[in-house]
Parts: sequence; structure tokens; C-alpha cells
Amino acid sequence: KAGVTQTPRYLIKTRGQQVTLSCSPISGHRSVSWYQQTPGQGLQFLFEYFSETQRNKGNFPGRFSGRQFSNSRSEMNVSTLELGDSALYLCASSREGAGELFFGEGSRLTVL
Amino acid sequence: AQSVTQPDIHITVSEGASLELRCNYSYGATPYLFWYVQSPGQGLQLLLKYFSGDTLVQGIKGFEAEFKRSQSSFNLRKPSVHWSDAAEYFCAVDAGGTSYGKLTFGQGTILTVHP
Repeated sequence: KAGVTQTPRYLIKTRGQQVTLSCSPISGHRSVSWYQQTPGQGLQFLFEYFSETQRNKGNFPGRFSGRQFSNSRSEMNVSTLELGDSALYLCASSREGAGELFFGEGSRLTVL
Repeated sequence: AQSVTQPDIHITVSEGASLELRCNYSYGATPYLFWYVQSPGQGLQLLLKYFSGDTLVQGIKGFEAEFKRSQSSFNLRKPSVHWSDAAEYFCAVDAGGTSYGKLTFGQGTILTVHP
């Protein structure tokens, strides 16, 4: 069974640009969550989607957004990038959004 | 607000020695509890989980954890550490209810293994 797949794995952007990250969950999983990991703040929850609906959201500015498609694949977008957005962005999937989450290997974003 | 504390930022052990990583949580009810491991440049891998029932849970790679309600702790243990166990370990809590997809993580404990 394939795991959670995130693309791209690495990317470099400059301040002010926007970025879109993609996540394909484990087959049969309908819930996708996104996390930001930085050395200073650790792992922080961004949002969760289930059946194309955002059910939960963390404390991030509106520049961070996401969506989920009918096949459960998800994308997250960060607009007007800031230096502080440099981080490892992790996607996780689960069957129902409760219990154990299965994480992808992450997308490493560097903002210059 | 719920919180997870991992008191040890960095632990160093010799290969073959026993290991205990500490985790304390602050939450009104008994949440779901997890331990994840992360190797450099990688995502998080689930080691074990506790939902209910037997307070001693077994996980992958020879790890186990014990839930102690009275101490609000969920410490991770391994009787004999291997060099491949060197990684960062995260304790996490799921509050349940409407906290869909949201885990609250501790700050992590970096494990170094000396040969």
C-alpha cells in the first residue's frame, strides 16, 4: 500500500511569491491534515480537510490556505511568502481524521 | 489549552543501553496518545499509540510506552538501543471530539547513540 506522497520535496522561493504544495493520501483515507515544522516553533497544525470540506483550522494567517479534491488529494497554498515561512510542510492522512495520522516525507520550502 | 511536554531536549545513550524518553501532557480527559519518530530530512513515522485499555502498549522497532493517568505521563522505553534508533522522537496528543486531524506535539527529544 503506497504511503502519503508529497510534491515537490524541495523548493526555493523568494519573498512575495506564492507556492502550492500537493499531497496524495493513502488510498482509502479521506482526511488530510497539514502541519508546519520549524526549529523554533516545532510542529504546528495548519488545517484538516475531509470530503472536500475544511473541518479544522490552526492559528495561521489567511495567507495559508488549502483545498481538497474529490479524490481526497489535497493542496495547500501560501501567498505573499515571508522569510519566516521557510519550513518543512508535512501532510498526513487518516481514514476519518481521528486517531493515528500517517505522514508523508514533507515539502521543504526555503524562502529567500 | 492542552499541552505536551518533553523535558529532555537531547539524550545520549550507548548502543545496547536501555532508553526512556519522557512525555507529560496537560489535558482534562484522557486523550489519545502517540509517539512518532523522525529521521533527518524525513517525515514522521508512528511508533505506537494509546487509545484505551492496557496501559502498556507495544510498538514497532521494539519500543513500548506506559500510560500513567495519575502522572499524566506517557513515557517511551526500549530495553536495548541500536545505532539505527538515533533520530528525533515526538510525543503527541489528540484531544478527540472535534479536533479533526489535529495533534498537539511536544518539542521533541533528539536521541544520539554512541557505539
